[in-house]
Amino acid sequence: AQSVTQLGSHVSVSEGALVLLRCNYSSSVPPYLFWYVQYPNQGLQLLLKYTTGATLVKGINGFEAEFKKSETSFHLTKPSAHMSDAAEYFCAVSGVQGAQKLVFGQGTRLTINP
Amino acid sequence: DAGITQSPRHKVTETGTPVTLRCHQTENHRYMYWYRQDPGHGLRLIHYSYGVKDTDKGEVSDGYSVSRSKTEDFLLTLESATSSQTSVYFCAIDGGRNNEQFFGPGTRLTVL
Repeated sequence: AQSVTQLGSHVSVSEGALVLLRCNYSSSVPPYLFWYVQYPNQGLQLLLKYTTGATLVKGINGFEAEFKKSETSFHLTKPSAHMSDAAEYFCAVSGVQGAQKLVFGQGTRLTINP
Repeated sequence: DAGITQSPRHKVTETGTPVTLRCHQTENHRYMYWYRQDPGHGLRLIHYSYGVKDTDKGEVSDGYSVSRSKTEDFLLTLESATSSQTSVYFCAIDGGRNNEQFFGPGTRLTVL
């Protein structure tokens, strides 16, 4: 069984500040990990993913995430927030094998203050 | 663009009526999924399909059925809509690389 916990349903940062969105997962098999972004009234868009290999993965729009197996974490960061980053962010996990199902966290709404 | 469309995009219906939502893909992907999105719950899997006429339940399948008679179409039916099924419904396809999924634009369903 797999599960995802996103710490903080709402995060607010100032423009130019560091963005840190937290994600912890539980998985009985080696995980594939994903971050998706959802802008208002749109579908989900893949930001980045970890499958195997390098534990620091870079995605679109300047975001990156680090897979830490010992901490079962996959936190999302961006060094300098931009107003256009305001959105909802979802962390998701799937197993390497199986029916390719994703399990999502509850989401974190990111607000950027001018 | 993964070539996924959903119809209708918005629907208002009354309790007890049947509702069918359609997901259409243009790229011949094997796996298709239906999720519902509710505040505080993220996305939860309703049903998924791994081929024509091959479907299985997700974690919130009660009150929903699906059908896939063609590779490109995956239908979600609410047999008798209830107010608890008011939600935003997303269809997704598996892109074939490391379980990566691509999502449609969503259908906002309101059950009065």
